[in-house]
Amino acid sequence: QSVLTQPPSVSGAPGQRVTISCSGSNSNIGAGFDVHWYQQLPGTAPKLLIYGNDNRPSGVPDRFSGSKSGTSASLAMTGLQAEDEGDYYCQSFDSSLTAHVFGSGTKVNVL
Amino acid sequence: QVQLVQSGAEVKKPGASVKLSCKASGYTFSNYYIHWVRQAPGQGLEWMGVIDPSGGDTTYAQVFQGTVSMTRETSTTTVYMELSSLRSDDTALYFCARVSAGFDAFDIWGQGTMVIVSS
Repeated sequence: QSVLTQPPSVSGAPGQRVTISCSGSNSNIGAGFDVHWYQQLPGTAPKLLIYGNDNRPSGVPDRFSGSKSGTSASLAMTGLQAEDEGDYYCQSFDSSLTAHVFGSGTKVNVL
Repeated sequence: QVQLVQSGAEVKKPGASVKLSCKASGYTFSNYYIHWVRQAPGQGLEWMGVIDPSGGDTTYAQVFQGTVSMTRETSTTTVYMELSSLRSDDTALYFCARVSAGFDAFDIWGQGTMVIVSS
């Protein structure tokens, strides 16, 4: 069972906006540790999408944005495209486990 | 360009050990920690541990204590991860990943190495 909880799936039509939540606790997100987001397209390695809660690496479209509040974080995707179909994971650090932890993962379906 | 290239797929029997490699290139090897993350078939990502390529210091996830060992060879800019006492539930895709400067985010990933544990 993952320390960070994400919805199993979210769906949206092309062009729509979807959000993915990442719920943690006071030993990880709530303790002030940064949240990062990864995109994993089918058959590929994860790719860093958002780092430090709300920063985009060079080359990541501004359709992707991240936010953090309290013990939770969110990834928003606007202007959904077919190429966005894949799995998305949040990641942070947990002080109780002294370990980097990943969310359970969310599958994005483009209808 | 900056990249991590991992060794090829492995098939092992239960109880055996496996040693995977991850070769870094395109950046100063000693400046960035390398982590290992695994993904069982159809499952999510699981953090295994980290090595500091500069001094060789390691930290392992508690669940892997006693079965995992991470080492590095600075002359070839390669990091190794050895997993012992393999079980069928160790069947997974194993990734190495570099931590970005200033953040604990994994900015560069290897392509992954599939390890199958089967009798």
